[in-house]
Amino acid sequence: RKEVEQDPGPFNVPEGATVAFNCTYSNSASQSFFWYRQDCRKEPKLLMSVYSSGNEDGRFTAQLNRASQYISLLIRDSKLSDSATYLCVVQSGGSYIPTFGRGTSLIVHP
Amino acid sequence: DAGVTQSPTHLIKTRGQQVTLRCSPKSGHDTVSWYQQALGQGPQFIFQYYEEEERQRGNFPDRFSGHQFPNYSSELNVNALLLGDSALYLCASSLYVGDRNYGYTFGSGTRLTVV
Repeated sequence: RKEVEQDPGPFNVPEGATVAFNCTYSNSASQSFFWYRQDCRKEPKLLMSVYSSGNEDGRFTAQLNRASQYISLLIRDSKLSDSATYLCVVQSGGSYIPTFGRGTSLIVHP
Repeated sequence: DAGVTQSPTHLIKTRGQQVTLRCSPKSGHDTVSWYQQALGQGPQFIFQYYEEEERQRGNFPDRFSGHQFPNYSSELNVNALLLGDSALYLCASSLYVGDRNYGYTFGSGTRLTVV
């Protein structure tokens, strides 16, 4: 089993839709969680950290479920500009190295 | 406030050659990590440098080596290039508190093509 798993998609949604991605991780000792966004042929950029209590930033909501070992990203009122690949990132306690999933592709169409 | 800068942006090399990629971290960051990203895949960790030492290494052969300088900038060297080394090479800088970091800042990457 891979350390971090994501459905590669693509998720194809109309503008205004709500879309959610999940990401599962295998190491129960994981302690830091992030979502990054990567546009085509560009570098990843930090979208948001994921906290135990869940957190929201505008249209974006991130949740952590430690019992089931997954994190989620919810995007409300999708915009065309949200089209990108969303990378799930997990870092285990005692390791300095975050592990990246392969990413989930989102395409928002008019 | 300059972000992470990488050079060169694109590079074409022949099999068997050697290449050096360079990275300057974001101001205030002291840790540099290198990743390889193949098309359609997530970034794969190569190694991380802190205080001029390789702190942790991923599953890459010894052909991949690096260095960190006193000003925190870093180089990635790849010897005896293979066709499979063609990828986007990303440098990420960060600041750690203990073993926890608060997110990476990535450079725009070097796209290496081996022919």
